[in-house]
Amino acid sequence: GAVVSQHPSRVICKSGTSVKIECRSLDFQATTMFWYRQFPKQSLMLMATSNEGSKATYEQGVEKDKFLINHASLTLSTLTVTSAHPEDSSFYICSARGGGQGYGYTFGSGTRLTVV
Amino acid sequence: QQQVKQSPQSLIVQKGGISIINCAYENTAFDYFPWYQQFPGKGPALLIAIRPDVSEKKEGRFTISFNKSAKQFSLHIMDSQPGDSATYFCAASRGSTLGRLYFGRGTQLTVWP
Repeated sequence: GAVVSQHPSRVICKSGTSVKIECRSLDFQATTMFWYRQFPKQSLMLMATSNEGSKATYEQGVEKDKFLINHASLTLSTLTVTSAHPEDSSFYICSARGGGQGYGYTFGSGTRLTVV
Repeated sequence: QQQVKQSPQSLIVQKGGISIINCAYENTAFDYFPWYQQFPGKGPALLIAIRPDVSEKKEGRFTISFNKSAKQFSLHIMDSQPGDSATYFCAASRGSTLGRLYFGRGTQLTVWP
C-alpha cells in the first residue's frame, strides 16, 4: 500500500531556531500534500495544502512566513518552522494524495516538536 | 462552522462489546467518508471508508453504516478488544476533487479487559 515517510519523529530545538520536517511518498507520486497540527486530545487542524510545483495555500490564521512549506517534487514536501517559540510545540502530521490512490489519503507518522 | 460533528467524545466499552461512534455532516457535496484510528504519538491510520452510493460497508470487525438522507454515518466495532483502545476520527471530503479532509473532533475509546 501507499506509504508516507515523515522525519524526524521527534525534535527538540531552542527558541529562535528553525526546524525542518520532511515528508516523502515512497511508492506513489504525491500531487497534493496536506500539513496538519494536532494539540493533545484534539483533532487534526489543517495548516496548509500544497500542490507539486505551486505555492502552498494556507488556512486562515496560519502564518505563512512562520510555517514555510515547499513541495518541489512529487515525492517530497517539507515544513519549516522558522524562529520557533514554545507555543509552536505541537504534533505535526503530513498527508498525501496522489495517482493510483483513488480517493484515499495517506498519513505520515507525525513529528513531535518541542521548543525549549 | 464545523463541517463534521462527531460523538461521543469518549467511550468506555467492555471487552467483547460493541463500540458505536456517530458522525454527521452538512455538505451534501461530500462523497468520501473515512474513519481513522490514531494511537498516541502516531499519525492517523485509515480504518475503513465508504462512498455515498452504499449504505453499509464491513471489513472484519469494523462496519460503517451510512444514511445519506440523514447525512449521518457511524462506525461499529464488534467484539471490541483492549487493542482497539485508541482515538477514532471520522472525516469527509469531496474526494472527486482531490479536496481536503474535514475531521470530526475525535472519540477516545477505552476497552476494558
